[in-house]
Parts: sequence; structure tokens; C-alpha cells
Amino acid sequence: AQSVTQPDIHITVSEGASLELRCNYSYGATPYLFWYVQSPGQGLQLLLKYFSGDTLVQGIKGFEAEFKRSQSSFNLRKPSVHWSDAAEYFCAVGAGRDAGGTSYGKLTFGQGTILTVHP
Amino acid sequence: ETGVTQTPRHLVMGMTNKKSLKCEQHLGHNAMYWYKQSAKKPLELMFVYSLEERVENNSVPSRFSPECPNSSHLFLHLHTLQPEDSALYLCASSQDWDRLLSPLHFGNGTRLTVT
Repeated sequence: AQSVTQPDIHITVSEGASLELRCNYSYGATPYLFWYVQSPGQGLQLLLKYFSGDTLVQGIKGFEAEFKRSQSSFNLRKPSVHWSDAAEYFCAVGAGRDAGGTSYGKLTFGQGTILTVHP
Repeated sequence: ETGVTQTPRHLVMGMTNKKSLKCEQHLGHNAMYWYKQSAKKPLELMFVYSLEERVENNSVPSRFSPECPNSSHLFLHLHTLQPEDSALYLCASSQDWDRLLSPLHFGNGTRLTVT
């Protein structure tokens, strides 16, 4: 079964500083990986996704993530954080196409990382 | 109106009440989902509907009863809930349920409090 671990429950950074949110996954085959963001009182919004190809993927709002198969990681990064980035961030993993030859729609989410941005 | 809309935004109900949560999507998607988001726990998938047919029931207690009358609307009927059912209930949709290439689009959720 697939699983996702976000080791950091809460991270605080200063505005303008760089950011890295960690995500480790467990899955036997090629994973599909996602990062979602949830602002207070809102639903989840997709930031970026990785399916195959280039291991560095670009997303919305200036975020990027790098898939590292050897480390089973998909960390989210942003070079300069803005106050509006304060939110909760969720990493998610789903089964890839080589899982029995079919794709499968169930996502497993991590517990989330709350980001606080200081002015 | 576009996207995924959930009503009501907040709901307080007693354990003997019956209430319903509503979700509507204007994206032309074929699949709709109910997720439960509790404090300090990962998102839990509850139900998946594809073209109005339930394709996933993730061991959810029978006090939660989903209904999908058409591909644009999804309901979650609630009956004799417990205080531990208090949570944020999120509705989502995607183009197809079995293809991860179509990402999930979430509504803003219904904050449910069971007293």
C-alpha cells in the first residue's frame, strides 16, 4: 500500500526567505505525486504534479518540486516566500500506470505541513 | 459560476438530527468525491462516484449516506452522527476517477459540528 510522510507539522519562515517542505512516499512502482495547498477556510488547490519525465516540475505561484526516486522524496520549494503563501500544504501519492497495467484513481495524502510566514 | 460549490459552509447538528450536505460542480467532470478532513489526520477518502455510479466506499459507517443524482451533483446525507464525526467535509471532482492525469478540484468544504 502507498503512504506519504510529511515530517514537518509546522514550519515558520520570514517573508523573502527560501522554503523547502519535505515529502517522503512509499510505493512499489512508479508513483504519481502531487502537492496541494489549502488556505484557511478553503478547499485544496493543486500546486503541481509529477507523472514522468523531467524530475523537476514547475507549478503555480512560483513553486517547484523535485522527484528523487533514490530518496523516495518529492520536496516542494520556493526561492522567496510571500506572506500570502501562509497556508497548509499537502503532499499526495497515487498509483502509476505500471501498477498492474492500469491506472488507479485513489490518492493517499500526507498529514500536511502548516506554513507560517513572518513579515 | 465555475468550480466546485459546497453548501452549507457551516453546519451544527445534534446527534439525532438528519441533515444533508450538497456539492455541485460546473466543470463537466465525470467523477465526484467526498473526503473527510479531521484535525491532525490525513485526508480520508469516503466515497467516489463515476458517472453517477458509486465506485468506492472506503469503509464508511452507514450513518453517512451518499447520493449522486447526476454527474454534477453529489449529496451526503447525515443521520445519528457522533461527536467524533465533527470535521471538515470536502467535495472534489475530476475528469475521470480512474485516471490520475486528471487532478482533483476541491470545494471549500462544509465545517460540521456534532453536538
